[in-house]
Amino acid sequence: AQSVAQPEDQVNVAEGNPLTVKCTYSVSGNPYLFWYVQYPNRGLQFLLKYITGDNLVKGSYGFEAEFNKSQTSFHLKKPSALVSDSALYFCAVRDNRGGYQKVTFGIGTKLQVIP
Amino acid sequence: NAGVMQNPRHLVRRRGQEARLRCSPMKGHSHVYWYRQLPEEGLKFMVYLQKENIIDESGMPKERFSAEFPKEGPSILRIQQVVRGDSAAYFCASSLGDRVYEQYFGPGTRLTVT
Repeated sequence: AQSVAQPEDQVNVAEGNPLTVKCTYSVSGNPYLFWYVQYPNRGLQFLLKYITGDNLVKGSYGFEAEFNKSQTSFHLKKPSALVSDSALYFCAVRDNRGGYQKVTFGIGTKLQVIP
Repeated sequence: NAGVMQNPRHLVRRRGQEARLRCSPMKGHSHVYWYRQLPEEGLKFMVYLQKENIIDESGMPKERFSAEFPKEGPSILRIQQVVRGDSAAYFCASSLGDRVYEQYFGPGTRLTVT
């Protein structure tokens, strides 16, 4: 069974500092990996995905994520945090084996950027 | 291109009533997913549908819950005889396909059972 772990319930970072939101995964095959962001009372918005190729993936709003196969991780990063980045962040994984494979979401990490 | 539409945005039902939640996917998307979100519990998968077919309903409660995605019209998530524990935010998402494709989420329907 596949799974996603987001080990931190909340991450606090000062505005202007770099931020990291952690994600590790477990799949039987190789992973397709996704990050989404949710602002209060809104649906999730897609940020970026890793399918294949370059391990460093760049996405919306200056976010990027690095796929590390040996550590089974896909941490979300941004060089300089903004107060407007404060939101709930979800990591998701899908096994890339053939046929239908469900997407599994993590429980979410709340990011608080402090002015 | 309009995004995923959900209505109503807020729905209040008394215990025992029926709740009908509607989802119109993005134009060109034929894959629809329903999720339930409870405070402090993350996003829980409920069901995955393609036009006229239920592909995966492994997250749906066995009783009272049903979903459909007809050939014409929106996808419907139906909850019969609602109970207080059904109070949650219900999100619909659509995608162009499965596998490598990301999902696009609607704004959600917040169901309150009184």
